[in-house]
Order: sequence, then C-alpha cells, then structure tokens
Amino acid sequence: EAGVAQSPRYKIIEKRQSVAFWCNPISGHATLYWYQQILGQGPKLLIQFQNNGVVDDSQLPKDRFSAERLKGVDSTLKIQPAKLEDSAVYLCASSFVDRNNYGYTFGSGTRLTVV
Amino acid sequence: KNQVEQSPQSLIILEGKNCTLQCNYTVSPFSNLRWYKQDTGRGPVSLTIMTFSENTKSNGRYTATLDADTKQSSLHITASQLSDSASYICVVSARDSSYKLIFGSGTRLLVRP
Repeated sequence: EAGVAQSPRYKIIEKRQSVAFWCNPISGHATLYWYQQILGQGPKLLIQFQNNGVVDDSQLPKDRFSAERLKGVDSTLKIQPAKLEDSAVYLCASSFVDRNNYGYTFGSGTRLTVV
Repeated sequence: KNQVEQSPQSLIILEGKNCTLQCNYTVSPFSNLRWYKQDTGRGPVSLTIMTFSENTKSNGRYTATLDADTKQSSLHITASQLSDSASYICVVSARDSSYKLIFGSGTRLLVRP
C-alpha cells in the first residue's frame, strides 16, 4: 500500500518569499491533515480537511498560510510571505473518517528553512 | 484542558540496555492512545495503538502499557539498538466529534554504542 506522499523533502527560502508544499494522501482516506512541527516539539495541527471541506483551521495563521484540497484528494499548503519562525517540518497525514482514527498515517514531511 | 505530557524530555542509554518512557494525559473522553517513533527528518511511524480496554500491547522490542484509571502510559524498549535513537511521541485520541489527536512533545532517545 502506498503511503502518504509529500514533496519537496527539503526547501530553503529567504524570508518574505513564498513556498508551497504538496501532499497526496493514501487512496480512500477522506481526511487530510497538515501539521507544523518545530524542532523539539510535537506536531501542531494547522488544518484538517474532510474531502474538500475544511473541518478545523483554528490554528492556521491565515494572514500568511493557506491550504486547499480542491478535488478532495491531494492538497497544497502555501506560506506567503515566509518568516524566520516558519522554519519547521511540515507534516501531512491522512486517515479514514473514523472516530478512532485508525489508519492514521503520516508522510515523511517537508523540512523548511527560512533564512 | 486536553493535554499529553511526556517524560523524560531526553534520555541517553547504552546499547543493549532497557528503558521506559512515560506519558500522562488528561484527555477526556478517551478513545485510544498511540506511541509513535520519529526518526530525525522523517514523519512519525506508529508503534502501538491501545484502546480503553487494553492494558498492554507489544511490537517487537517495544511494549506499551496503559492504565486508564490513572491516565498513564509507558513505552518500554528492551535490548536497545542504535537504530532506536529517535523521538518517541505519545498521542491520545479524544472520543468526541472532533476526532482530534492530542500530541505530547516527545522524548528524544539517544542510544550510544
């Protein structure tokens, strides 16, 4: 079974530039999540989609971050403009629509460095 | 407030030794608790998932325990190997409409030869 695919694996940009990350979830997983993980911390949920609708984006800094999942499959997360404090690993995860969150699987992440 | 706390923050052990990582949570209503292993630069990988009725689950040299009464869990690693060096994250799922996962900050384990 193919896992959650993310790209790119690494990205280095200057502050005030823009960047986009891509995620393709496991086939059949209706729920998709984007997390931000700062070094030494646990992942922080940025946004949760169910199919192509947003379930929770309460912790998404909407002045600079945006995400979409137009066809209910793959998703993109964009940062514009980037700040130094956005340096982190951005993880995508997907799962079935399931109260127990079984099948919850993470991608390998995109490590972003803002200089 | 739903929280997951892990201890210690970091741990160094010698190869071949055993160790135990701790997780305390205040998530309610509780659905399940899972332990993830996260290698540097990689996404978390699930080790074990336990529901309310389970008090122990093993995955090779990893054994997780759950005490739902005291809201505590532990992850025991037996005969550690260099490849066990990673962060171990405790995650609790809330049995409510949000289906949210609440993450601990992780324990960073370093296994030395």
